[in-house]
Amino acid sequence: KAGVTQTPRYLIKTRGQQVTLSCSPISGHRSVSWYQQTPGQGLQFLFEYFSETQRNKGNFPGRFSGRQFSNSRSEMNVSTLELGDSALYLCASSLDGPNEKLFFGSGTQLSVL
Amino acid sequence: DQQVKQNSPSLSVQEGRISILNCDYTNSMFDYFLWYKKYPAEGPTFLISISSIKDKNEDGRFTVFLNKSAKHLSLHIVPSQPGDSAVYFCAASAIRSSGSARQLTFGSGTQLTVLP
Repeated sequence: KAGVTQTPRYLIKTRGQQVTLSCSPISGHRSVSWYQQTPGQGLQFLFEYFSETQRNKGNFPGRFSGRQFSNSRSEMNVSTLELGDSALYLCASSLDGPNEKLFFGSGTQLSVL
Repeated sequence: DQQVKQNSPSLSVQEGRISILNCDYTNSMFDYFLWYKKYPAEGPTFLISISSIKDKNEDGRFTVFLNKSAKHLSLHIVPSQPGDSAVYFCAASAIRSSGSARQLTFGSGTQLTVLP
């Protein structure tokens, strides 16, 4: 069974640009979550999608948005990029259920110059 | 406001000895706890979990202990192996009134180095 796939692996953008990251979950997983990892901050929850609906949202500004398609694939978009958005963005998928574990992709490393 | 804290950014242990990684939390609503391991250039991988109705869960060389009164959990690795060298993240979640809980709150991680 293929794991969680994230593309692209690396991205370099400049301030003010926008970026779209893609995530393909494990087959059969309908829940997709996004996390931001920065040094010393651990993983910060961005949002979670289930059946094309945003179910949970973290404490990030409106510049961060996402969506999920009918095949459970998900995208996240960051508009008007800031230097502080430089981070590793991780996508995770899971079966639904309160204690189902998350399976993470390798992430997209975003650098904003 | 960090609800899950890993106060040791790094830990070095000799091969064959015990590694103990610690995690504290402040939110009394958390009722499910997990440990993830992360190698460089890879996403975190699930290691072990524990529900708040238990105080210990064991899986091979890995044991997680939960002390609810102290809001503290720890991961014990015995014996430690060089391949265990990685960043370990503690995470917690709470059941939401709206249904399934899929929001994990992570600590900042502890870099474990197992010396041969």
